[in-house]
Amino acid sequence: EIVLTQSPVTLSLSPGERATLSCRASQSVSSFLAWYQQRPGQAPRLLIYDASNRATGVPARFSGSGSGTDFTLTISSLEPEDFAVYYCQQRSNWLTFGGGTKVEIK
Amino acid sequence: QVQLQESGPGLVRPSETLSLTCTVSGDSINNYYWSWVRQPPGKGLEWIGYIFSTGSTNYNPSLKSRVAISVDTSKNHFSLRLSSVTAADTAVYFCTRGGIWFDPWGQGTLVTVSS
Repeated sequence: EIVLTQSPVTLSLSPGERATLSCRASQSVSSFLAWYQQRPGQAPRLLIYDASNRATGVPARFSGSGSGTDFTLTISSLEPEDFAVYYCQQRSNWLTFGGGTKVEIK
Repeated sequence: QVQLQESGPGLVRPSETLSLTCTVSGDSINNYYWSWVRQPPGKGLEWIGYIFSTGSTNYNPSLKSRVAISVDTSKNHFSLRLSSVTAADTAVYFCTRGGIWFDPWGQGTLVTVSS
């Protein structure tokens, strides 16, 4: 099983700041990685797939990068609705999720 | 646009079988993969398994012995059965479209395993 480790666990930032979230895989997943956003009490929402492709309707301030074992989700300028939990997910070997990063208001 | 809605009992007794249905509206269930994902309270996400509209399935190895996913294309819905449940199966259960990436998702339904 491929283990995805997300860091930091919590990220405290202010609106307008840049957020950088990390996801590290226990072995290479090539570019087979996605990112999801989950707001409190809501279902997850697909943001990025295949490491760097934005899903339909996702604002341009969200971008993904990386390949192999190290991936990054960047939010260029945080909007109030971006404060949420973010999960990475791989599909290289079965389907597993990371433990999540909570982006909270500082 | 496509919408998904989970339904089923919110309380299941230990050792019994959890059964949920996901009704798809706004699009046909045909020619897509459909998955179940769960989230224990306050914890992360776990993929349970998926089914293609033709009926072929793939399950999380950690749950494979207890899981069955089925599809009824005439009713545009698919279902989950998880047998021999314990308190560790208490979670919000989501249905979602996809077999590699998941989009969109149902709102989720909380299933509590308790006597």
